[in-house]
Amino acid sequence: AQSVTQLGSHVSVSEGALVLLRCNYSSSVPPYLFWYVQYPNQGLQLLLKYTSAATLVKGINGFEAEFKKSETSFHLTKPSAHMSDAAEYFCAVSTGANSKLTFGKGITLSVRP
Amino acid sequence: GAGVSQTPSNKVTEKGKYVELRCDPISGHTALYWYRQSLGQGPEFLIYFQGTGAADDSGLPNDRFFAVRPEGSVSTLKIQRTERGDSAVYLCASSPNRETSHNEQFFGPGTRLTVL
Repeated sequence: AQSVTQLGSHVSVSEGALVLLRCNYSSSVPPYLFWYVQYPNQGLQLLLKYTSAATLVKGINGFEAEFKKSETSFHLTKPSAHMSDAAEYFCAVSTGANSKLTFGKGITLSVRP
Repeated sequence: GAGVSQTPSNKVTEKGKYVELRCDPISGHTALYWYRQSLGQGPEFLIYFQGTGAADDSGLPNDRFFAVRPEGSVSTLKIQRTERGDSAVYLCASSPNRETSHNEQFFGPGTRLTVL
């Protein structure tokens, strides 16, 4: 069985501030981990993925995430928030190739001018 | 290239009616997934196809839901006797089914289903 916990439903930061979105996972086997972003009225877009090659993963738009097995975490960060980062962010886990994704409930990121 | 497309983008129906939702995956992707996203929630898995066959249908909520992929490309999700609780955004995703893709799934824009 696999699951994802994203604590909190809403994060608000000032433009230029650090973005930190938390994700903890549970998996009975070594996981693949993903962060997706969803802009209003659009589909899910992949930000980055962890597939065991490197624990620090860099994605699009300046985002990165670090896989920490001991903490079962895969938190998403960005050093400096931009207004265009305002969206909903989903963490997801799968147990290997060709298997379903299990998503967290998502976190809405707001960016204040 | 073209991404995953879904039609219709919006569907409004009455309780008890039958609906079909269509998904066109990325050309050459052999794996196809259906998810359902309710308001304020993350997507929830419904069914996964590998080629023409359903490899995992454990997420279908009941026997009113059925999906097909007869030629291994386009898929149709069918919902019989719709209920108000079926209202959600139905998402389709496809994947190249290569070990190197590490299960990266490409999502369509979704079909918003509203059951009145």
